[in-house]
Amino acid sequence: QSALTQPPSVSGSPGQSVTISCTGTSSDVGSYNRVSWYQQPPGTAPKLMIYEVSNRPSGVPDRFSGSKSGNTASLTISGLQAEDEADYYCSSYTSSSTWVFGGGTKLTVL
Amino acid sequence: QVQLVQSGSELKKPGASVKVSCKASGYTFTSYAMNWVRQAPGQGLEWMGWINTNTGNPTYAQGFTGRFVFSLDTSVSTAYLQISSLKAEDTAVYYCARGRWRFDPWGQGTLVTVSS
Repeated sequence: QSALTQPPSVSGSPGQSVTISCTGTSSDVGSYNRVSWYQQPPGTAPKLMIYEVSNRPSGVPDRFSGSKSGNTASLTISGLQAEDEADYYCSSYTSSSTWVFGGGTKLTVL
Repeated sequence: QVQLVQSGSELKKPGASVKVSCKASGYTFTSYAMNWVRQAPGQGLEWMGWINTNTGNPTYAQGFTGRFVFSLDTSVSTAYLQISSLKAEDTAVYYCARGRWRFDPWGQGTLVTVSS
């Protein structure tokens, strides 16, 4: 199972919005709404930010939103804040009953 | 609160074995699956597989069969990852993460370093 494709890096200024894409195939992202997004600040464990494409766990700011179209899922962060600077990973359930992660995207807040 | 606490860093020689623990608290251990995820230095996340905490049945991802074993001790709400015949390329941070359909929460990670 190949990793999902994410851009290596994105950046934005405080207050702006950024979108991170996550491209898979019809065997994973395209077939299941089991797409999640995780935030990993440097030196820390990943944290769930979005699950089932667009659902936010309690405590996650509504500045974080998720969507999906075809084989591509997206995470949008609006009103960027310095604390949002981190690596972001998408993951998807697959037709092999396994999970696959994206390669990760480094978000820099300028 | 729901928490996963992992064992501390390990330094092992090639060929040795290591056992990483993941102790759960704040919820009924057998009600949620447990996953293991590897992160090599400077690299991304890699799903290793999961274990059904109700039945003890493990499922291993491709590339994690043979030397990797998931196990449980439900009496102390703890999941284990054992890696045998360690190689330098096994050097990584290993995370446990709760859940079948989303991974939440995660343990703090255990750094396993394999070096002669």
